[in-house]
Amino acid sequence: QQQVKQSPQSLIVQKGGISIINCAYENTAFDYFPWYQQFPGKGPALLIAIRPDVSEKKEGRFTISFNKSAKQFSLHIMDSQPGDSATYFCAASIGNRDDKIIFGKGTRLHILP
Amino acid sequence: DVKVTQSSRYLVKRTGEKVFLECVQDMDHENMFWYRQDPGLGLRLIYFSYDVKMKEKGDIPEGYSVSREKKERFSLILESASTNQTSMYLCASSLIEAGGPKFFGPGTRLTVL
Repeated sequence: QQQVKQSPQSLIVQKGGISIINCAYENTAFDYFPWYQQFPGKGPALLIAIRPDVSEKKEGRFTISFNKSAKQFSLHIMDSQPGDSATYFCAASIGNRDDKIIFGKGTRLHILP
Repeated sequence: DVKVTQSSRYLVKRTGEKVFLECVQDMDHENMFWYRQDPGLGLRLIYFSYDVKMKEKGDIPEGYSVSREKKERFSLILESASTNQTSMYLCASSLIEAGGPKFFGPGTRLTVL
């Protein structure tokens, strides 16, 4: 299966809270899992990415948690800020093939001030 | 500051018209991509290119063609626009074997009447 299933579709979090977005996949050949952030009126931008040889990757307030056995990965945004309000896409690809990347449907995140 | 630029932010065309969408990147990236983004469907790959004058079909190439005469420029062509091609079109670029696009342009919102 080539799908990447992302949830929830939308999320509202209070300022200072933790935002959690989840993704699941079926194809065990996937070996690269990026997250993209898209602000209204802008194109997506690569935010953070992980490979399956590690279970967690942290960059500032953004953390990817990866569970290889469950075939799930998630994005955690700590101390969420109104400026984090955006649409987030998870994705998965195989063997560094840029054309084979599969995107999730996206999560619209809104951080309440 | 690295950039992917697209020739138009908004475009309105009539059914049957030939439409050109231009994309330019200034990062000397080998790979360039055209995606369309539709609500509920996420990002879908139309065409990509790994080198000058090279092009490969993505997941939804029907009704589209592309041209890459120079490394920095990748054009998407709608030979005869139809209403079901009304969408947000995103250009992206990356280095070879990056696992996925790294930089996206701001998008072109195309409306076909």
